[in-house]
Amino acid sequence: QIALKESGPTLVKPTQTLTLTCTFSGFSLSTTAVGVGWIRQPPGKALEWLALIYWDDDKRYSPSLKSRLTITKDTSKNQVVLIMTNMDPVDTATYYCATHLEWFRLFESWGQGTLVTVSS
Amino acid sequence: QSVLTQPPSASGTPGQRVTISCSGSSSNIGINNVNWYQQLPGTAPKLLIHSDNQRPSGVPDRFSGSKSGTSASLAISGLQSEDEADYYCAAWDDSLKGPLFGGGTKLTVL
Repeated sequence: QIALKESGPTLVKPTQTLTLTCTFSGFSLSTTAVGVGWIRQPPGKALEWLALIYWDDDKRYSPSLKSRLTITKDTSKNQVVLIMTNMDPVDTATYYCATHLEWFRLFESWGQGTLVTVSS
Repeated sequence: QSVLTQPPSASGTPGQRVTISCSGSSSNIGINNVNWYQQLPGTAPKLLIHSDNQRPSGVPDRFSGSKSGTSASLAISGLQSEDEADYYCAAWDDSLKGPLFGGGTKLTVL
C-alpha cells in the first residue's frame, strides 16, 4: 500500500523560503523508473507541476519556477524535500507530492496535500 | 496558462454520456500518452485514465479515454451524481521536459 504525506509550514511570509517534506511508504526511491514529483494548486485553480526527482537522482523543474526550486531525496528516510525561495502571495496553494512512474510518465499515487498560505 | 486546453465546464443529467476534450500540440499529446485525473471536491487528484485509454484497477468502465492527433477526450457514460468533480488531462511535454496539466473541467451532474 503506497502512501505519501506532505508536511511543512502552513503560513510563510513574503520573501521567505518554503521547505516542504514528502514522507512516503510502500515503495522505494531506489527502484528503477520510480520518481516523486511536486504539484501545486492555488485555491479554485488548476494543477501546476513544479518538480520531479527520480530513482537515479535525475531532477526536472518547471522552467517558469526553476530558479526558485530545489528538489532532493533521502532514500534511507523515504523522504523528498522541495525548497522554494522568495515566496510571494501568488504562491498560496495546496502543495501535493505524488509518485511518478518514469516509463509511463504519469503521477500514480498522491498525497493528501498541504495548504501553504503566503501572507505578511 | 496551461498549454493543454480543456473546456472550463461540462454538465449532464444522470444516465447521460458526457465528453471532455483536451487539446494540445505536437510536443505533448501528439507524441506522448495522455492521462486523466479526477479530483472530487476537497480531495487530492486520482489517476482515472492512463496511456490514452487504460483504466487503473478499480476505475469503472463507464470512464473511457481516446486520442487523435494532438487532441484527447474523456468520456463518461451512465453519468452518476458521484461523478461530479474536476477533471484534468495531462501529458509529458518534450519541449518542457516535464509534465503538463490541462486547465481542468468542472463537471456538474444536473
